[in-house]
Amino acid sequence: DADVTQTPRNRITKTGKRIMLECSQTKGHDRMYWYRQDPGLGLQLIYYSFDVKDINKGEISDGYSVSRQAQAKFSLSLESAIPNQTALYFCATQGTANTEAFFGQGTRLTVV
Amino acid sequence: AQSVTQLGSHVSVSEGALVLLRCNYSSSVPPYLFWYVQYPNQGLQLLLKYTTGATLVKGINGFEAEFKKSETSFHLTKPSAHMSDAAEYFCAVRGASGSARQLTFGSGTQLTVLP
Repeated sequence: DADVTQTPRNRITKTGKRIMLECSQTKGHDRMYWYRQDPGLGLQLIYYSFDVKDINKGEISDGYSVSRQAQAKFSLSLESAIPNQTALYFCATQGTANTEAFFGQGTRLTVV
Repeated sequence: AQSVTQLGSHVSVSEGALVLLRCNYSSSVPPYLFWYVQYPNQGLQLLLKYTTGATLVKGINGFEAEFKKSETSFHLTKPSAHMSDAAEYFCAVRGASGSARQLTFGSGTQLTVLP
């Protein structure tokens, strides 16, 4: 089983719909991140959380919200999806500042 | 705020040639630096990292990178490219404390290896 699991892997949704992307991890890490990847823009940080009570906005948080339900779970929500939120979304976990981050396989989201 | 700049969104090399992918960073605190690789339709995996100590770090698949504080650089190299190295490469920086504690990525460099 993967250490970092994202569900769903692919999703097509309509403009205006609410959608939740889920991430769960078995690494026991406190730090969790949500990124979106667009061609030519690399990975842009949406939100990050350093423990259940520590949630922070990243560089592109507008239009998104998150919930850290437990140490192992970090969900990303699009309250009202719009087409320019079509992207590949990655969840990542990290143990401490100087250790590697572990990534999920990604969720490909298309908003039509 | 911290940032990462990767020079060259696309790099092409011939098989067997030197690979050089450039990364410059800015950080207000001593940085931790990482290189990740992404193969098509996959997530990211760690190639190598610099935290403290030796400034030349070796990673998987024959890659290495050198941390140069005076140049704020962390360029990735490989002496001889292989076809299997074709992928997208991301440099990332993380500060040890304060506002720089999130993991920030560059925009990526797509490496093409020509036969």
